[in-house]
Amino acid sequence: QVHLVQSGAEVKKPGSSVKVSCKASGGTFSSYGLNWVRQAPGQGLEWVGRIIPILGVPNYAQKFQGRVTITADKSTSTAYMEVTSLKSEDTAVYYCASDDNSGPYGLVPLDSWGQGTLVTVSS
Amino acid sequence: EIVMTQSPATLPVSPGERVTLSCRASQSISSDLAWYQQKPGQAPRLLMYGASTRGTAIPVRFSGSGSGTEFTLTIASLQSEDFAVYYCQQYNNWPLTFGGGTKVEIK
Repeated sequence: QVHLVQSGAEVKKPGSSVKVSCKASGGTFSSYGLNWVRQAPGQGLEWVGRIIPILGVPNYAQKFQGRVTITADKSTSTAYMEVTSLKSEDTAVYYCASDDNSGPYGLVPLDSWGQGTLVTVSS
Repeated sequence: EIVMTQSPATLPVSPGERVTLSCRASQSISSDLAWYQQKPGQAPRLLMYGASTRGTAIPVRFSGSGSGTEFTLTIASLQSEDFAVYYCQQYNNWPLTFGGGTKVEIK
């Protein structure tokens, strides 16, 4: 099973950017999907986007198009999510989660999760 | 996008009771439905996928059913470690979407 370890908590000013990392071990990094899911304080789960490292082409929830960039570095088995133009509403725990990319169009459940990274946006 | 609706939002339960959680999709998603369990301060954990297949090392007291738009997660006899928030999620179409969650709390 894939093991995911994320970078530490961040505190950012409104309008700035943040880049969160997710290092994977186990499995074949290039071939599975890596998703980002966020959870605002006391709220539910919201899918942000996904990348398959071997393809390198991400897809995003429409809400995050243009403000979120997901990338992957195959040499270090690490995925990244950058969020720009941060707003207070972006305060959340951001999780990376893997899938085995076995289904049609990559539509499969999220079977391993990182520990989460708290991003706080405050002036 | 497909909207997932869970009910109830909160469910007070006593240990040992049978628990039934509901999830509804705004359009048919076949059996492309997963359930996750989340405890305070922890990441979600995959409980069920394909609507009725248990994830790795998930106890047999958890079962899932349904297809199309109506789904159910049942816990046969609630244990103390089962008090948590449960989310359903569809993976029939992009974007992936989650229900709002059901919190199973101690009565």
